[in-house]
Amino acid sequence: DIQLTQSPSFLSASVGDRVTITCRASQGISSYLAWYQQKPGKAPKLLISAASTLQSGVPSRFSGSRSGTEFTLTVSGLQPEDFATYYCQQVNSYPLTFGQGTKVDIK
Amino acid sequence: QITLKESGPTLVKPTQTLTLTCTLSGFSLSTSGVGVGWVRQPPGKALEWLVVIYWDDDKRYRPSLKSRVTITKDTSKNQVVLTMTNMDPVDTATYYCARHYALYGMDVWGQGTTVTVSS
Repeated sequence: DIQLTQSPSFLSASVGDRVTITCRASQGISSYLAWYQQKPGKAPKLLISAASTLQSGVPSRFSGSRSGTEFTLTVSGLQPEDFATYYCQQVNSYPLTFGQGTKVDIK
Repeated sequence: QITLKESGPTLVKPTQTLTLTCTLSGFSLSTSGVGVGWVRQPPGKALEWLVVIYWDDDKRYRPSLKSRVTITKDTSKNQVVLTMTNMDPVDTATYYCARHYALYGMDVWGQGTTVTVSS
């Protein structure tokens, strides 16, 4: 199985901050990585597919990038509604796997 | 509007079989490329992908659960059914179904259904 390691596991930030979350894959997955946002008690929401393609309706302050097997989710100018847990998921090969999550909390 | 909705028991006893139904609306599992997958999340823990079924009846399973999990589709009813045998308290989780495209991700999710395994 492909392991995804997210860092950090927890992040404390303020409104307006630029936040970066990293997801490292244990082997090559090309750009087949998705990012999700999950708020407490709610289902995950797909933010980004193919490492950097923003889903329709997702604010442009969210962006994704790839460098080899390292993927990054950036939120440029954190908004109150962005405080949530973020997960990466590799969709390159089965079994599909998720990272362990990064919780973004209010400082 | 595209929606998915999970239904099934909220409480099952250890060793029993869990059956969950995902009812689709606004799209069809007979459309080329479309899949429906299941993901679960134990309380306070991370998401765990379980299984996916595609429009052409291709199925992919989480290896550690393959012996216990069955997924089927009924296109005429727009439903996908997940069956998990020999339930254990560690299977206590919120179970989500979601529309899935290969190499893309899970773009529309159900609200989830919470299943507790306890005697």
